[in-house]
Amino acid sequence: AQSVTQLDSHVSVSEGTPVLLRCNYSSSYSPSLFWYVQHPNKGLQLLLKYTSAATLVKGINGFEAEFKKSETSFHLTKPSAHMSDAAEYFCVVSDGVGSSNTGKLIFGQGTTLQVKP
Amino acid sequence: NAGVTQTPKFQVLKTGQSMTLQCAQDMNHNSMYWYRQDPGMGLRLIYYSASEGTTDKGEVPNGYNVSRLNKREFSLRLESAAPSQTSVYFCASPGRSYNEQFFGPGTRLTVL
Repeated sequence: AQSVTQLDSHVSVSEGTPVLLRCNYSSSYSPSLFWYVQHPNKGLQLLLKYTSAATLVKGINGFEAEFKKSETSFHLTKPSAHMSDAAEYFCVVSDGVGSSNTGKLIFGQGTTLQVKP
Repeated sequence: NAGVTQTPKFQVLKTGQSMTLQCAQDMNHNSMYWYRQDPGMGLRLIYYSASEGTTDKGEVPNGYNVSRLNKREFSLRLESAAPSQTSVYFCASPGRSYNEQFFGPGTRLTVL
């Protein structure tokens, strides 16, 4: 069964410093992986997705993530944090691949990013 | 083209009351999903529907029923609400390649 673990429940950075949100996944095949962001009292917005193309994926708002199969990781990074990045971030793995893909998503527990001025 | 819409946005119920959460998508997608979001647990799948007229249980189906009467709409019903069902509920629908899910704005439900 697929699963995803976000290694930090809370990350605090200063504005202008790098952001690293860690995610490890477990899957019996090469999965599709996603990062979603949720600002307070808002819905979910897709930041980026990995679907077996380039291992370095660029997303919106300067975020990127690198798929590392050997480490079963999909960490989210940003070179310079902005105050508007403060939100909750979810690492997500899809359930199934190809013809067995059900479209169901399995979410990590979430990481709250705090950005200090 | 509104994507995925949900009603209501907020609801407060008393224990034992019933209600139905409505979800509709205008993207002509086959699949639709209901998730609940609780602090520290991410989103968990309640029920899903792979196509019109079919439904299947997800990870946390107890206390819920669903109905997929047509391709566009997928409703979630709480027959007898319990405080443990206090949560934020999201409806979602993936694109054809399942490479992205489109989420509704959510329904914040409080059961007293």
